[in-house]
Amino acid sequence: QMQLAQSAIEVKRPGASVTISCKASGYTFTNDHIHWVRQAPGQGLEWMARIDPKSGDRGFAQRFQDRVTMTTDTSTTTARLELSRLNSDDTALYFCARGLGSYFDLWGQGTLVTVSS
Amino acid sequence: QSALTQPASVSGSPGQSITISCTGTSSNVGGYKFVSWYQQYAGKAPKAIIYADTERPSGISDRFSGSKSGNTAFLTISGLEVEDEADYYCCSFAGGHLTYVFGTGTNVAVL
Repeated sequence: QMQLAQSAIEVKRPGASVTISCKASGYTFTNDHIHWVRQAPGQGLEWMARIDPKSGDRGFAQRFQDRVTMTTDTSTTTARLELSRLNSDDTALYFCARGLGSYFDLWGQGTLVTVSS
Repeated sequence: QSALTQPASVSGSPGQSITISCTGTSSNVGGYKFVSWYQQYAGKAPKAIIYADTERPSGISDRFSGSKSGNTAFLTISGLEVEDEADYYCCSFAGGHLTYVFGTGTNVAVL
């Protein structure tokens, strides 16, 4: 059964960094890109970035380019997103999703990140 | 990239058809055959219901259909059912270094 399993809730102080993990199972991890999408409370979906686990190639939404770091570990089939210099606007549910061609066919359950002093 | 524009809400009665629009630019919606649509229930992960402008993933009801004209894509839900009450988002490939952009989202109410 194909699945993306994400790490649990994170609570961080403003200015800190957070790392979210996304473990893939049930398919060949290096065949498809991993995308990161977030959703602030009561707001819409926002595409953040994507990574090709095979080549390491990355793409970013411009507003996250200088704060997002993405990695993948093919030995553990895990993708990670690090978001730095957190502020209250980064409080959101963060999803990883598999890119199957041009759309996102498999989603993680989401990781809630709360930024609060 | 600015978010694609969708109506905030659309409503219909059971059995009716509704259409949701998604307006972008020639740099995203109008430039590629890569618009997808997602259904999301509150607190849940989104689910793909349309990809490549008009295609349905396996297992998705044929009550859902996609189309496009110029820089605007459309999602039509026919034979509206109570279970269709959810938020719907369009998403388009936006070129560049394989980047994407979502729509602002539409809440569908079945009255």
